[in-house]
Amino acid sequence: GENVEQHPSTLSVQEGDSAVIKCTYSDSASNYFPWYKQELGKGPQLIIDIRSNVGEKKDQRIAVTLNKTAKHFSLHITETQPEDSAVYFCAASYNFNKFYFGSGTKLNVKP
Amino acid sequence: NAGVTQTPKFQVLKTGQSMTLQCAQDMNHEYMSWYRQDPGMGLRLIHYSVGAGITDQGEVPNGYNVSRSTTEDFPLRLLSAAPSQTSVYFCASSYSRVKVSEQYFGPGTRLTVT
Repeated sequence: GENVEQHPSTLSVQEGDSAVIKCTYSDSASNYFPWYKQELGKGPQLIIDIRSNVGEKKDQRIAVTLNKTAKHFSLHITETQPEDSAVYFCAASYNFNKFYFGSGTKLNVKP
Repeated sequence: NAGVTQTPKFQVLKTGQSMTLQCAQDMNHEYMSWYRQDPGMGLRLIHYSVGAGITDQGEVPNGYNVSRSTTEDFPLRLLSAAPSQTSVYFCASSYSRVKVSEQYFGPGTRLTVT
């Protein structure tokens, strides 16, 4: 099956700085890559996603890039704010039924 | 809409006991799934369903059963609880199984098996 690796496991940044989280996947058939934000005591919530026919997607302060050749994709958060503090998960799917998640990145934005 | 609801929020079981985790959605979503979340391991897919009467195994199905008799409900059954099943369980749903659509997660059930 698919194997998704995520780095770093923890990330601490100063408010206003940028944060980058990276994921790699193993199955070249994977074609959909969502990112989720999980706040304490809650379920994950989709923040942005990208399909394999697109190299980059942006939504305000959040962007995702995909390199199919290298099988890696990244989440970029600019102008970080304290409310961005949470655990972020990447995932990969090749048929929209089975999703494989990374191990998560705990982002701490210091005021 | 209530979205995806899960009950109970917390549960403590003894080894060997059985129980059912409930999941319901009121969005008429076709696809539903169950995940377990363990520290440092992200979310792992247990079982999923692409419609009423149709279920399939995910990454870690052993020790769990599911059924989908209605579009709204997707219960997860633990047949004989083991300490290794101590985890946080999330149910999720999405509109379509054949095209990209957002997965909505429930608030989770924290299960402890002693």
